[in-house]
Amino acid sequence: GESVGLHLPTLSVQEGDNSIINCAYSNSASDYFIWYKQESGKGPQFIIDIRSNMDKRQGQRVTVLLNKTVKHLSLQIAATQPGDSAVYFCADLSGGYQKVTFGTGTKLQVIP
Amino acid sequence: NAGVMQNPRHLVRRRGQEARLRCSPVKGHSHVYWYRQLPEEGLKFMVYLQKENIIDESGMPKERFSAEFPKEGPSILRIQQVVRGDSAAYFCASSPSVGGTGELFFGEGSRLTVL
Repeated sequence: GESVGLHLPTLSVQEGDNSIINCAYSNSASDYFIWYKQESGKGPQFIIDIRSNMDKRQGQRVTVLLNKTVKHLSLQIAATQPGDSAVYFCADLSGGYQKVTFGTGTKLQVIP
Repeated sequence: NAGVMQNPRHLVRRRGQEARLRCSPVKGHSHVYWYRQLPEEGLKFMVYLQKENIIDESGMPKERFSAEFPKEGPSILRIQQVVRGDSAAYFCASSPSVGGTGELFFGEGSRLTVL
């Protein structure tokens, strides 16, 4: 079965506010956790990843937090913009090669 | 630099026909992955290939589906005798090596509609 899953199917955020997208996972053996963004009609696009031995990683306007105690992953987007509107997937990597397993996705809607 | 190229972008087939989806990975990438996505759902892993080898086909139905990645040319996902349940978006991704961080480079997908 799926090793990652998301709490909410849709998240609406006011432009300029921060967004937090949550994800639960079950596979304790995952080596990496990854966030992908998929805009309508397009393929997924890598955003950021975090190694399983870390608890926080920051990128440009995005931060990923990993809580291994409760098997929880989150993506924080600062100052959300209309261009951030998309479906966000958490995913994990395990098995020694690039087999990425995706969760079901959260749709982020940015309200102008 | 060209990214992952998939064609056709849209394909319509009648039940019982064959569908062939092509994928050219990022130049220099030798690892190709195929995923299937139903509307409003996540991506389901189908198969992982290296040049001339199938490494993991655990997500691909045993019947009617096949994939190849020849030494020369694109990777091909072939669906024989299509049924309506095969209607989906099929995404190809590539990566340069194994042991990475999970960053895959995806194409724009091929959307198959079975009438």
